[in-house]
Amino acid sequence: GAVVSQHPSWVICKSGTSVKIECRSLDFQATTMFWYRQFPKQSLMLMATSNEGSKATYEQGVEKDKFLINHASLTLSTLTVTSAHPEDSSFYICSARVMRLAYDTQYFGPGTRLTVL
Amino acid sequence: TQLLEQSPQFLSIQEGENLTVYCNSSSVFSSLQWYRQEPGEGPVLLVTVVTGGEVKKLKRLTFQFGDARKDSSLHITAAQPGDTGLYLCAGLPGTASKLTFGTGTRLQVTL
Repeated sequence: GAVVSQHPSWVICKSGTSVKIECRSLDFQATTMFWYRQFPKQSLMLMATSNEGSKATYEQGVEKDKFLINHASLTLSTLTVTSAHPEDSSFYICSARVMRLAYDTQYFGPGTRLTVL
Repeated sequence: TQLLEQSPQFLSIQEGENLTVYCNSSSVFSSLQWYRQEPGEGPVLLVTVVTGGEVKKLKRLTFQFGDARKDSSLHITAAQPGDTGLYLCAGLPGTASKLTFGTGTRLQVTL
């Protein structure tokens, strides 16, 4: 159980276009999902917390108008990178929060590699 | 800001050797998780520890949570090439749901 999928696994786009990344919890419902960004050989950086039915909470320094998050259902959150530029190229990973045995656990998706030309 | 420092940052060892990775903070965490991540993939949960002093074993991996719940360690016995990857600790502070990730330890095990 606790499988999280992401689509697409990789995407290449031209500068100025928008890219949507989907994050799905396959065998459970997740009221809270998280979006991370990871640069090569570095740890994960939290971008935002996605809450089902309400607005996402963004971390300091993350532009909410550039990284649009929608959590329309209990199994799906989407991240849209608007007007992408080469500096947005990165590995984007989502996770879903699960309560197991009375404590919080996060399960991660396989990630999406975004390359902006 | 709660920071989790991992040491060492990079470790290259030969198959069969033992190793320990440390995860330290000045903050208290209600729980702490260890993940392993391979290149181009998402982190995979290895274990969650919640009680101070707790020790959990997963085959050749032994995880320990410090008594004060500020630090943790991961010990690997007889490392194998399949253990190669980025090891990340992540702590959950108090009642917050946001994980604080460690700086990461990159392990390379060679034949």
